[in-house]
Amino acid sequence: NAGVTQTPKFRILKIGQSMTLQCTQDMNHNYMYWYRQDPGMGLKLIYYSVGAGITDKGEVPNGYNVSRSTTEDFPLRLELAAPSQTSVYFCASSPSLSGTALGYGYTFGSGTRLTVV
Amino acid sequence: RKEVEQDPGPFNVPEGATVAFNCTYSNSASQSFFWYRQDCRKEPKLLMSVYSSGNEDGRFTAQLNRASQYISLLIRDSKLSDSATYLCVVNMRGSARQLTFGSGTQLTVLP
Repeated sequence: NAGVTQTPKFRILKIGQSMTLQCTQDMNHNYMYWYRQDPGMGLKLIYYSVGAGITDKGEVPNGYNVSRSTTEDFPLRLELAAPSQTSVYFCASSPSLSGTALGYGYTFGSGTRLTVV
Repeated sequence: RKEVEQDPGPFNVPEGATVAFNCTYSNSASQSFFWYRQDCRKEPKLLMSVYSSGNEDGRFTAQLNRASQYISLLIRDSKLSDSATYLCVVNMRGSARQLTFGSGTQLTVLP
């Protein structure tokens, strides 16, 4: 199993450009998440989804959009990129909420390193 | 006050040493607790869950003190391969969005 796959691994954007970060999981997990990690900081939740067709904002949603048309895919869209969005982006998935409460952790993708110049 | 606080370190210890990390959390309703490991420029990976009675996995021991709202991770007989950043993670039961990550404690095990 591939687990959680993110593409691209690296990207440089110019201010004002847009892009989509792709995330796919093959574990049939209901819950999917997008985090960003700035140097020396903890991960911050951008958006999350509890199932196909359902998404909700996390801690830092401004400047981003998501969709969840299938269980497997959870793309993150950046519109009008800004230097403040330079970060490492991680997609993650988990089983149902009961699984999380029982101690099953999150599976993370390998990340996308984004630089906005 | 941060929701999850960790000493950022760095902790530099010799091989074979015992090292302990602490983490405090602010939300007393928190129900699930984890330690993740993150290697340099890699994604976080689950190291172990933390249960109320404490739990051990080989050289790693995790403890939870609900009264004081802190979690600890003890690593015995440190190996070079233990060098990484250790993230304390807290999840509030019943809420998918409430997975809060600490900033991490950096450990370097020296030969």
